[in-house]
Amino acid sequence: SQQGEEDPQALSIQEGENATMNCSYKTSINNLQWYRQNSGRGLVHLILIRSNEREKHSGRLRVTLDTSKKSSSLLITASRAADTASYFCATDPTIILTGGGNKLTFGTGTQLKVEL
Amino acid sequence: DVKVTQSSRYLVKRTGEKVFLECVQDMDHENMFWYRQDPGLGLRLIYFSYDVKMKEKGDIPEGYSVSREKKERFSLILESASTNQTSMYLCASSLPPPPNYGYTFGSGTRLTVV
Repeated sequence: SQQGEEDPQALSIQEGENATMNCSYKTSINNLQWYRQNSGRGLVHLILIRSNEREKHSGRLRVTLDTSKKSSSLLITASRAADTASYFCATDPTIILTGGGNKLTFGTGTQLKVEL
Repeated sequence: DVKVTQSSRYLVKRTGEKVFLECVQDMDHENMFWYRQDPGLGLRLIYFSYDVKMKEKGDIPEGYSVSREKKERFSLILESASTNQTSMYLCASSLPPPPNYGYTFGSGTRLTVV
């Protein structure tokens, strides 16, 4: 079952503009993560925000989390053509299984295109 | 550079064949995962493993099995390949929490079943 749903499904912007992607989820989480996927390749981990955090920064990335609304947003500032990729949110459930845990559920992704 | 390596980037198999997808990680991670990715459906978890010889079903295990005989290797097996198993298969690994870490993914295997 899909936990995270990204919005919009596709986004096209000009280089230098900011890109904002949103993620909504349904159940309680321990943390939420964002990943990037270049066409036809594996996913790359970008940033993790814990359920007790509201905002986190990493370089040109800014992630917010609103657990009351069960939503998160990813902001990429001053976008570059190289940021063109699909972006996925992934949720980590509250219950940590003994001896394991962190079984992520991924959304369907936002396709970002940054044009020169 | 630490990595997760999937043995094939592209694979074409015939219906009914037994297919092995191999994944090896060099990070000494306990957790390993197999996902498949299809357009409009995102990533769906097939199987995962928290330790050697340990496996648990994910959301869509039907038609698949796995093997983890060594910590660094997690194999996905399609017992009798079917056309609806044509997909991108992604392997990932991670350390167990706490604290929580992200996954490291392989580059993926695009499997076509004809």
